[in-house]
Amino acid sequence: DVVMTQSPLSLPVTLGQPASISCRSSQSLVGSDGNSYLNWFQQRPGQSPRRLIYKVSNRDSGVPDRFSGSGSGTDFTLTISRVEAEDVGVYYCMQGTHWPPWTFGQGTKVEIK
Amino acid sequence: QVHLVESGGGLVKPGGSLRLSCAASGFTFSDYYMMWIRQAPGKGLEWVSYISSSGTTIYYADSVKGRFTISRDNAKNSVYLQMNSLRAEDTAIYYCGRGRCDSCGGDRWGQGTLVTVSS
Repeated sequence: DVVMTQSPLSLPVTLGQPASISCRSSQSLVGSDGNSYLNWFQQRPGQSPRRLIYKVSNRDSGVPDRFSGSGSGTDFTLTISRVEAEDVGVYYCMQGTHWPPWTFGQGTKVEIK
Repeated sequence: QVHLVESGGGLVKPGGSLRLSCAASGFTFSDYYMMWIRQAPGKGLEWVSYISSSGTTIYYADSVKGRFTISRDNAKNSVYLQMNSLRAEDTAIYYCGRGRCDSCGGDRWGQGTLVTVSS
């Protein structure tokens, strides 16, 4: 199974400042079709997960453009260009290239300083 | 508007059974695969099971294989998770989700239903 490792696990941020979360996979996420299936989810306190980004860098409908995804191979990053109060929560990466199983990172808790 | 509503959770003794349901609305259910994921108290997300849009392809996490059974009824716009031989470590919020791209993770998720396995 592919192991997903996120860092940091806790990220205190200042409102209006950028934030970045790293996600590394134990093997390359490049699929047979040439795409990398690395997806990002947000879970606000007390809410269910919400997908933000799929296939490394594609934002879901309704996701603010301050969220962006990048990376290739085994190293990926979720960036929030200017953190807002509503961004508080836990962020998970999830690989979908080598399934089953679909595997998640441990989660990164974003909080306001 | 897309809605996924889970039900069927509750308190059950170790070794017992529960059947979770997920009622879908606002989209063409038979066009989407469905998944269950879970989240133990204070922990991260764990994929549990997958069923293809037609119901012909099914996968389980090793942790539940042989104990859980996923199924769907496209006429009733519903997916189910039959959970047998429950263990304390199955205690979690169970979320159902949908998707069209198997590799992209679910694009919509329900609010979840809590399963507590305790004597």
